[in-house]
Amino acid sequence: AQSVTQPDIHITVSEGASLELRCNYSYGATPYLFWYVQSPGQGLQLLLKYFSGDTLVQGIKGFEAEFKRSQSSFNLRKPSVHWSDAAEYFCAVGAGDFGNEKLTFGTGTRLTIIP
Amino acid sequence: DVKVTQSSRYLVKRTGEKVFLECVQDMDHENMFWYRQDPGLGLRLIYFSYDVKMKEKGDIPEGYSVSREKKERFSLILESASTNQTSMYLCASSLPRQGINYGYTFGSGTRLTVV
Repeated sequence: AQSVTQPDIHITVSEGASLELRCNYSYGATPYLFWYVQSPGQGLQLLLKYFSGDTLVQGIKGFEAEFKRSQSSFNLRKPSVHWSDAAEYFCAVGAGDFGNEKLTFGTGTRLTIIP
Repeated sequence: DVKVTQSSRYLVKRTGEKVFLECVQDMDHENMFWYRQDPGLGLRLIYFSYDVKMKEKGDIPEGYSVSREKKERFSLILESASTNQTSMYLCASSLPRQGINYGYTFGSGTRLTVV
């Protein structure tokens, strides 16, 4: 079965600093990979996704992620964070019947931004 | 944009009550999902449905059932609520196109407290 590990429970960065959130997955085939963001009291919003092609994918709000098959990783990055980026971030892997994959989520990383 | 609406943001129910959580999506999505979210555990899949009247168990179906009589509506039922079902419940929908999963659209969640 597929699984996702987000090793960092909580990360604190200064506003304007760069950010990298780690995600490692386990899946036997080529995965579909996603990053979602959840603001307090809200549902999850899709930031970006990877399913084929260029291993560096661009998303909304200035985020990007790089798929590295050799490391089974899909880390999320942003060159300069803003206070509004404070939220919880979830990595997910899609697996199952082609096009109808169920998503398995990691346990999340909470991001705090300090002025 | 697709909208996924969960009928209640907050619910308080008593132990042993039968509880219905409703979810409606407005863009003709085929797939619908129910997750529960708990601190430190991330999102865990309860049930999902790929079509009307179809349902499949997710990773933690015990104590829950679902109903999908119409394409746009997917209901989660707690047959006899217990305190360990206190959680945030998230509904999601998706529409795979050409065999590709483009990710889920989530509702804002229902925070259920069982007392």
